[in-house]
Amino acid sequence: GQQVMQIPQYQHVQEGEDFTTYCNSSTTLSNIQWYKQRPGGHPVFLIQLVKSGEVKKQKRLTFQFGEAKKNSSLHITATQTTDVGTYFCAVTNAGKSTFGDGTTLTVKP
Amino acid sequence: DAGVTQSPTHLIKTRGQQVTLRCSPKSGHDTVSWYQQALGQGPQFIFQYYEEEERQRGNFPDRFSGHQFPNYSSELNVNALLLGDSALYLCASSFFGLAHGYTFGSGTRLTVV
Repeated sequence: GQQVMQIPQYQHVQEGEDFTTYCNSSTTLSNIQWYKQRPGGHPVFLIQLVKSGEVKKQKRLTFQFGEAKKNSSLHITATQTTDVGTYFCAVTNAGKSTFGDGTTLTVKP
Repeated sequence: DAGVTQSPTHLIKTRGQQVTLRCSPKSGHDTVSWYQQALGQGPQFIFQYYEEEERQRGNFPDRFSGHQFPNYSSELNVNALLLGDSALYLCASSFFGLAHGYTFGSGTRLTVV
């Protein structure tokens, strides 16, 4: 089955700094979803990308899908303390979603 | 907001026992998927139910079984509990055939002692 690897595992930033997490696969992905899980919470769906080279923005968050559809990234501009949590990428194939192990973001005020 | 509801929120069981976890999907959703999330890891797919049938299954032993009812709610059953079954069990709902993200419930924290 399709597997996705996320890097880095952890990222510590000062409030106001930017943050990027990467999701990589050795195979072509049909789609990629991004989720955010706050400490002690559950995954919350952020966005889905399906087209090669697709770029979507949600306020300070920018999501990209690679041209070859083998990687994706989530970039947060000017982090805030409310951005803390673990960001997961996932790929869904025939109803089965495979999640990466996530990147945990901590923000120092 | 009729989001995904799961019960119970926390559960402590002894090795060898059996457990049943319950999930009600978001209003309008007809598909339920179950995930196991160990500490520090991403959710691992257990199985998916649609039209009261198991449609997809992940790499979990037969000790893990499920059911979906006509009202789309679902149960996850785990038999012969092992210490390694301790995890957060997440239920996610969606509308079958609609390629979009899942709506997750808050999960059931299962501890096996």
